[in-house]
Amino acid sequence: DTAVSQTPKYLVTQMGNDKSIKCEQNLGHDTMYWYKQDSKKFLKIMFSYNNKELIINETVPNRFSPKSPDKAHLNLHINSLELGDSAVYFCASSPGLADTQYFGPGTRLTVL
Amino acid sequence: EDQVTQSPEALRLQEGESSSLNCSYTVSGLRGLFWYRQDPGKGPEFLFTLYSAGEEKEKERLKATLTKKESFLHITAPKPEDSATYLCAVQAYDYKLSFGAGTTVTVRA
Repeated sequence: DTAVSQTPKYLVTQMGNDKSIKCEQNLGHDTMYWYKQDSKKFLKIMFSYNNKELIINETVPNRFSPKSPDKAHLNLHINSLELGDSAVYFCASSPGLADTQYFGPGTRLTVL
Repeated sequence: EDQVTQSPEALRLQEGESSSLNCSYTVSGLRGLFWYRQDPGKGPEFLFTLYSAGEEKEKERLKATLTKKESFLHITAPKPEDSATYLCAVQAYDYKLSFGAGTTVTVRA
């Protein structure tokens, strides 16, 4: 029974395209996150939503837009993809803002 | 800005050879320090949370400790299945989690 799931697992696309990554959690958590892990393996927070409200919005280009239709879902839409967007994107969730975060399996995005 | 530095970057161990990983941090008010394990191609898997200096947590062959400036992850008598990248992260009072670059541990049989 997957706790935090992401689709797709792999995404290969051309520069300039628009793409979305979906995340769902079945843990009943109130808080969800998007992280980016670059080639140097650093995990960096991008966004955090608590009860569908945007709480953390790091210095991420406006081309990235998170959408939370309900507490169990947090999707990431990326417009006008660039080569530098290639990375692994992880979704995570936690019961609350101060609690342990549980990560999904990741989506490897490759922009050609 | 919160900073997390992990050392060494890579660690090669013989099965049964105990060792320690270091995580030093500077943070504007520590809410908690987290250890995760990440296997290739997978998401980080939660191991421990430490909240205050002097706290220790154990799980099988792993033991995490915390001081005011650093945390250690001790691996006792490691097995090949302990091979992974171990990530340290600190949570500040603004709730943001800042990760280190990780230590990649390889345990040879």
